[in-house]
Amino acid sequence: GDSVTQMEGPVTLSEEAFLTINCTYTATGYPSLFWYVQYPGEGLQLLLKATKADDKGSNKGFEATYRKETTSFHLEKGSVQVSDSAVYFCALSGPIGGTSYGKLTFGQGTILTVHP
Amino acid sequence: DVKVTQSSRYLVKRTGEKVFLECVQDMDHENMFWYRQDPGLGLRLIYFSYDVKMKEKGDIPEGYSVSREKKERFSLILESASTNQTSMYLCASSGRNSGANVLTFGAGSRLTVL
Repeated sequence: GDSVTQMEGPVTLSEEAFLTINCTYTATGYPSLFWYVQYPGEGLQLLLKATKADDKGSNKGFEATYRKETTSFHLEKGSVQVSDSAVYFCALSGPIGGTSYGKLTFGQGTILTVHP
Repeated sequence: DVKVTQSSRYLVKRTGEKVFLECVQDMDHENMFWYRQDPGLGLRLIYFSYDVKMKEKGDIPEGYSVSREKKERFSLILESASTNQTSMYLCASSGRNSGANVLTFGAGSRLTVL
């Protein structure tokens, strides 16, 4: 079945540092890929997504590129802020029209803490 | 602002009690989901529903049931709560077609079973 593997956390950075959170996946066909973020005390919210190979999703300074050849969707940000402290989840969904479309499979989550 | 509202943020129940977790969305979404969130395990899908009165099992349905009598409401039921069901429960919804895989989540219900 489909699966998502994220780098182990927690990740602790100083403000303005470069961030990478690795995400790799196993899926049949061409899934859509997502990053969701969960701020303290809140539910998850969509950060960015990509629906086909070589697509780049971006939002709030975060970026991730859909790499079919390495089955990866790594999250990056050039300069993190204290307000980016949260839990980040990588996820995938089956392709449009497939039986698993709309059902998301999540990775285990990576806790990010950014210090001033 | 569109919302998914979970009725209880924190619940404490005793082993063997019946527990209801309620979720309401105001976006006229067709699809609704219940996930369980545990540290180191991420989110795991318990049940989902693509329409009123329709339900399908997710990856970990054992010990749970659901009810969807109205489009906007999706309830998760623990018939006889056990300590291994202590967890954070997240409800989510999504629309049809190209929007079906973009989920809107509620803030979560943290359940402790003693």
